[in-house]
Amino acid sequence: TQLLEQSPQFLSIQEGENLTVYCNSSSVFSSLQWYRQEPGEGPVLLVTVVTGGEVKKLKRLTFQFGDARKDSSLHITAAQPGDTGLYLCAGVGEKLTFGTGTRLTIIP
Amino acid sequence: GAVVSQHPSWVICKSGTSVKIECRSLDFQATTMFWYRQFPKQSLMLMATSNEGSKATYEQGVEKDKFLINHASLTLSTLTVTSAHPEDSSFYICSTDLGVGDIQYFGAGTRLSVL
Repeated sequence: TQLLEQSPQFLSIQEGENLTVYCNSSSVFSSLQWYRQEPGEGPVLLVTVVTGGEVKKLKRLTFQFGDARKDSSLHITAAQPGDTGLYLCAGVGEKLTFGTGTRLTIIP
Repeated sequence: GAVVSQHPSWVICKSGTSVKIECRSLDFQATTMFWYRQFPKQSLMLMATSNEGSKATYEQGVEKDKFLINHASLTLSTLTVTSAHPEDSSFYICSTDLGVGDIQYFGAGTRLSVL
């Protein structure tokens, strides 16, 4: 069974601070995705990283795929209340395997 | 705009009754749809893969007689929770990948509360 562990599980920080969320697995994935989910809604895709070592930026969000394609990180700079949500990484293989999730709360 | 429409968004039912959740693809044909379950404050767990015109593929530990999946057309897949019990209360989400693989589009989810 492929498992994707995310850390931290919960994170609550002040507006303007930076943060990093980690996604780790013992399995290799062809690519890895990050989603954000708001309460009562389905996840929305933020990014897909494909190449080992790849870095992608989406405004204040920076995503990195590990060299071995087993882990990934999401870094948010100058967090804003609108960043609040559940962040999920997902390994792409025969099927999509979701990580354990990180619930992020940005305090105004 | 939305790619996948899920209905209802919230349903409350009595224990022992059956509940049907619909997942529709909008403006495209979806040969494959995925059904996930999400407990409060937890991640998404794939329950089954719905295949148009054939039987669904269930993940290990998911009772196929309990969670009936029908994918009779290219735009509609349904999940029926039969003889629902309080432990079935959860957030159910469907998705499809438009047949191009990696990118999945999710419905808005259905919150089921069984009393």
